[in-house]
Amino acid sequence: DAKTTQPNSMESNEEEPVHLPCNHSTISGTDYIHWYRQLPSQGPEYVIHGLTSNVNNRMASLAIAEDRKSSTLILHRATLRDAAVYYCILSGYALNFGKGTSLLVTP
Amino acid sequence: DTEVTQTPKHLVMGMTNKKSLKCEQHMGHRAMYWYKQKAKKPPELMFVYSYEKLSINESVPSRFSPECPNSSLLNLHLHALQPEDSALYLCASSQVGIPTEKLFFGSGTQLSVL
Repeated sequence: DAKTTQPNSMESNEEEPVHLPCNHSTISGTDYIHWYRQLPSQGPEYVIHGLTSNVNNRMASLAIAEDRKSSTLILHRATLRDAAVYYCILSGYALNFGKGTSLLVTP
Repeated sequence: DTEVTQTPKHLVMGMTNKKSLKCEQHMGHRAMYWYKQKAKKPPELMFVYSYEKLSINESVPSRFSPECPNSSLLNLHLHALQPEDSALYLCASSQVGIPTEKLFFGSGTQLSVL
C-alpha cells in the first residue's frame, strides 16, 4: 500500500480556516484519497474523498495537487468541535490508517 | 439509520476467559470490518468480510476469531488473550467492500485483558 505523511499536530484559532496537508508521493493512478477524523472517545468518521478533482461537501473541501502527490483538507471555519485526529488514507486493497494529524482548536 | 452499534462498550476479561464482541448495522451494507486501536495510535485493520465471507485477514493471531452470521451482524470471538491485546476494537461497515467506499464506524468496545 502507498504511504501518507502528515504533520503530527496542528493548531488553529476558532472560526479561522484550517489547511491540513498530506503527502502521498507513491500514490498509484487508481488510489482514491480519503480523509477521516476521530473525535475523542469515538470511532473514525468519514470526512471526504476524491480521485483527481477538488471536492466539496458540507464538512470540508479537498484540494488535490495536479500530480496527485499531495492533497489538502480544508476546514473553512474551524469550531471547537473540529478538534480531532485527522487521517489521510489512500485506498489500496483496504483502508489502512496512517498516523494522522492531531488538530487543536483554540477559542 | 446510519449507525453501527457495538456491544459491549467496555469489557474486562482474564487471560483464560472466552468472550465475544458484537457489531450490528441495518444499512443494508454487505461488507464489515474489524479494526484494533491501541491508545494514541491509528486503527489497524484486522479482518474484512464481504458478502458474509472473510476476504481479508491481516495475519491476526488465532486467539481472535471473527464470525459473520448474516449481513447485518459481525462477531469477534476472543479466547486466551494477552494483556497486550488490551485496546479499542472498532467495527465498521460499507456497501460492498471495495476500497473506494465510505466506511461507517461504531464507537468501539474498550477491552482490558488482565
